[in-house]
Amino acid sequence: SQQGEEDPQALSIQEGENATMNCSYKTSINNLQWYRQNSGRGLVHLILIRSNEREKHSGRLRVTLDTSKKSSSLLITASRAADTASYFCATESPTSYGKLTFGQGTILTVHP
Amino acid sequence: NAGVTQTPKFQVLKTGQSMTLQCAQDMNHNSMYWYRQDPGMGLRLIYYSASEGTTDKGEVPNGYNVSRLNKREFSLRLESAAPSQTSVYFCASSEPTGAGSEAFFGQGTRLTVV
Repeated sequence: SQQGEEDPQALSIQEGENATMNCSYKTSINNLQWYRQNSGRGLVHLILIRSNEREKHSGRLRVTLDTSKKSSSLLITASRAADTASYFCATESPTSYGKLTFGQGTILTVHP
Repeated sequence: NAGVTQTPKFQVLKTGQSMTLQCAQDMNHNSMYWYRQDPGMGLRLIYYSASEGTTDKGEVPNGYNVSRLNKREFSLRLESAAPSQTSVYFCASSEPTGAGSEAFFGQGTRLTVV
């Protein structure tokens, strides 16, 4: 079964706007990661946030984690057409290092 | 630096045929994984290998076998393909630590079983 539920399933915005994607999960985690997948390609790691962290930044990406609500959000600021992709959250269990459980993904379309 | 390389990229099989998907990584990672991705879904773990010489089942192992040939290579075999195995298959590798580790993915194999 899928660990994560992502919301929304699809998001369409204009270039320059911010994009926010949400992820909820069910069991305890060691960390939560976000990946991007361009159409027809493999997944690329974006950012990892540990269970004892609440917020993390990387360039135009901001990730938050609320372990009490078992949820995370990914914010992409000042979106570009090149950000068009599917975005997946993935959780790593504290008892199974390396094994990732993925959410269903959010399809982001950024219009020029 | 190639990262994770999968072959083939595309394959069409008839029901009942067998095939092996190959995966190799050049990052000296101990752990390797096989996932499948179905339309509208995230990736689901089929099998993984925590280190050379070990393999273990993931969430959806039925109908598959794996071999960790050496530290670099991890293959996935379909002994008797079924239409339900039509999917995109991804191999990944990582070096797990207690602090967490990112996974590196191959480009995927798009498999159609008719």
